[in-house]
Amino acid sequence: NAGVTQTPKFQVLKTGQSMTLQCAQDMNHNSMYWYRQDPGMGLRLIYYSASEGTTDKGEVPNGYNVSRLNKREFSLRLESAAPSQTSVYFCASRQASPLHFGNGTRLTVT
Amino acid sequence: AQKITQTQPGMFVQEKEAVTLDCTYDTSDPSYGLFWYKQPSSGEMIFLIYQGSYDQQNATEGRYSLNFQKARKSANLVISASQLGDSAMYFCAMRELGDNTGANSKLTFGKGITLSVRP
Repeated sequence: NAGVTQTPKFQVLKTGQSMTLQCAQDMNHNSMYWYRQDPGMGLRLIYYSASEGTTDKGEVPNGYNVSRLNKREFSLRLESAAPSQTSVYFCASRQASPLHFGNGTRLTVT
Repeated sequence: AQKITQTQPGMFVQEKEAVTLDCTYDTSDPSYGLFWYKQPSSGEMIFLIYQGSYDQQNATEGRYSLNFQKARKSANLVISASQLGDSAMYFCAMRELGDNTGANSKLTFGKGITLSVRP
């Protein structure tokens, strides 16, 4: 009964390094999402994928890329990390309502 | 303009009492859905309750109810008989469905309200 699984749980990067956050869901959901959560800002949408093979920008896409590898997996890539990308990242999926969230990745960029 | 507004500062409630968490929203789409999520200190996002814009009755789920006032564009969460485990951050969110099936619709979140339950 895994639901939405994110890896890693924690990560520390130096400015300029790259990394990929992985997300997989086992609920056969069509739509998948990446959000970031910052204090006092709520959750803001970075990118989403309405269905396999499609991706679209959300509210704060700059500095990120995504890949919808297949129906199960949706990865988020930081090509050149910046301190402003220090945040908690959530992956989510849905078929109808509501969104089902992973447990988050806490990323620190120094 | 913000689509979801949660302006209350940190809220406090005595155990076993009821509490209302405010949420107002802004949309011109006649078809939308409103959600409340709970985020405890452990960090996970837990879905609590959903209200559709065309639902005639206010949604209820156990101790949670949604006071939906469409004309005022408010969707306040009411927690009855508060428990210590209700201490968390609470987020209101909205999805606008537009003209399509909603496949491309996104969930927009408010900034959240921190609730502390006192013993």
